[in-house]
Amino acid sequence: NAGVTQTPKFRILKIGQSMTLQCTQDMNHNYMYWYRQDPGMGLKLIYYSVGAGITDKGEVPNGYNVSRSTTEDFPLRLELAAPSQTSVYFCASWAASSYNSPLHFGNGTRLTVT
Amino acid sequence: AQSVTQPDIHITVSEGASLELRCNYSYGATPYLFWYVQSPGQGLQLLLKYFSGDTLVQGIKGFEAEFKRSQSSFNLRKPSVHWSDAAEYFCAVGVVVPNDYKLSFGAGTTVTVRA
Repeated sequence: NAGVTQTPKFRILKIGQSMTLQCTQDMNHNYMYWYRQDPGMGLKLIYYSVGAGITDKGEVPNGYNVSRSTTEDFPLRLELAAPSQTSVYFCASWAASSYNSPLHFGNGTRLTVT
Repeated sequence: AQSVTQPDIHITVSEGASLELRCNYSYGATPYLFWYVQSPGQGLQLLLKYFSGDTLVQGIKGFEAEFKRSQSSFNLRKPSVHWSDAAEYFCAVGVVVPNDYKLSFGAGTTVTVRA
């Protein structure tokens, strides 16, 4: 199994451009999450989804959008990129089998907005 | 609201020495607690977890953590550090509400291992 796959690994955007960060999982997990990681700040939750067709905001949703049309895919959309969105983005999934089962993380997308 | 505090931003330790990383949490219910490790350029890997039972839990790579309810702490330890343990370590608490579950992370502790 591939687990959680994120593409691209790296991207440089100009201010005002848009892009979609892709996330796919092959573990049939219902729950999926998007986090951003900034130095000294840990991981902050952007959006999450408890199943296909259901999404909800996390701590830092402004400037982002998500959709969840299938169980496998959970893309993150940046419509008007801003320098404050320079970060490393992690997608994760969770089996929901028990609350102490771990999240499975992708390897991240490093985004720079200039 | 839940929160996780990792008081140490950066720790430097000699190879072979012991390591302890501190984690304090604030959460109203019984916590689900986790330690994750992130090597450079990689995603997060689970080291260990705690929900109930024995308060001393063993994880991968020789790590262990002790849950102390009275101190709201879940400190991570390793008796003898290897150079490959240089990484960033995150403590997290699982937040449970009806039909909803997410992890809240601390800011992380970067561990440097010197020869």
